Amino acid sequence: SQTIHQWPATLVQPVGSPLSLECTVEGTSNPNLYWYRQAAGRGLQLLFYSVGIGQISSEVPQNLSASRPQDRQFILSSKKLLLSDSGFYLCAWSVLSGYNSPLHFGNGTRLTVT
Amino acid sequence: SQQGEEDPQALSIQEGENATMNCSYKTSINNLQWYRQNSGRGLVHLILIRSNEREKHSGRLRVTLDTSKKSSSLLITASRAADTASYFCATDGRDDKIIFGKGTRLHILP
Repeated sequence: SQTIHQWPATLVQPVGSPLSLECTVEGTSNPNLYWYRQAAGRGLQLLFYSVGIGQISSEVPQNLSASRPQDRQFILSSKKLLLSDSGFYLCAWSVLSGYNSPLHFGNGTRLTVT
Repeated sequence: SQQGEEDPQALSIQEGENATMNCSYKTSINNLQWYRQNSGRGLVHLILIRSNEREKHSGRLRVTLDTSKKSSSLLITASRAADTASYFCATDGRDDKIIFGKGTRLHILP
């Protein structure tokens, strides 16, 4: 069966520090991978989307970046965090034909920038 | 961008009652999905309804889709305390992306 791992679960970082959040998927090949951010009491904002290794689509201009060094690994990074980067970050995967199949989410990373 | 909007934003009902949540969207879709999110956790997929379907059931869940009104509803029958969660609708956008609404917070009272 397929599983998705996302870590860390919680993170407190000072403003200006770097960020690296990692997400890995097991049990499937060539998944679509997604990074979403959820502000408190809000919906999900799509940040990045990937259909394959090295293929990243950015949805929102910001100081975050994403990379997909391996088929089932998706990394969210920042060189210098801002206060506004605080939020709940969710990684998800779907089969290739994304809109015809459900998203499977990790348990998220709660990031607090102080 | 194309997005579903849930209504109401929050809903409190007694255990055993039925809960109905609505979702409206702006442009044509291929399908619509409903997800549940327990506090502090990731989202869990509940049901997917295609644009050529009008109603779909899964256990105590019933989803309807009215493409002429660009709206969908999620009905949870015989609610339980474990149904307390936020519920989101999601529609397909351009380039295979899935866009979420802001959700309905459902609270089941004992």
